[in-house]
Amino acid sequence: NAGVTQTPKFQVLKTGQSMTLQCAQDMNHEYMSWYRQDPGMGLRLIHYSVGAGITDQGEVPNGYNVSRSTTEDFPLRLLSAAPSQTSVYFCASSYGYDRGQGYTEAFFGQGTRLTVV
Amino acid sequence: SQQGEEDPQALSIQEGENATMNCSYKTSINNLQWYRQNSGRGLVHLILIRSNEREKHSGRLRVTLDTSKKSSSLLITASRAADTASYFCATKTRYSSASKIIFGSGTRLSIRP
Repeated sequence: NAGVTQTPKFQVLKTGQSMTLQCAQDMNHEYMSWYRQDPGMGLRLIHYSVGAGITDQGEVPNGYNVSRSTTEDFPLRLLSAAPSQTSVYFCASSYGYDRGQGYTEAFFGQGTRLTVV
Repeated sequence: SQQGEEDPQALSIQEGENATMNCSYKTSINNLQWYRQNSGRGLVHLILIRSNEREKHSGRLRVTLDTSKKSSSLLITASRAADTASYFCATKTRYSSASKIIFGSGTRLSIRP
């Protein structure tokens, strides 16, 4: 299994450009999330999805859009890139809620390093 | 504001010593998870402890949870160079959506040979 696949691995954008970060998982996970990680900091939740057709905002959603048309894919769109969006972006997926243990472990992609100039 | 906060922010120890890092959180949780992140890589799940558990072991890892103090600790025994990484705790608040997992800012662990 490939797990969680993110593309591209690296990207440089000019201010004002738009782009889509791709995320795909082959584990039939219901739950998918996008995080950003800035130097020396933890992960901040941007958007998440509890299943196809359902998305919701996380801690830092402004400037980003998501959609979930299939279980496998959860793309993140930057509408008009700004230097403040320079960061490493991680996509994660999980089975979701398990009655025995609550929220189940998340599997992460390798990240997309985005630079906005 | 972040749900989980790790302490210390950075830790440097000699190989073979034990490493302890702590996580505090703010609201009631279903479970608490610890993850490791090697430099430039994605996070890898280490261990999950449920809110009704007090201690859990996995190999050289020992996790404790004190829900009355809203805190957890991760102990790595007999540290190795390969343990050099950042360690994060992650929590889901009891009354929020299942996938809204919040991470702390992490502890950077360095193992000196």
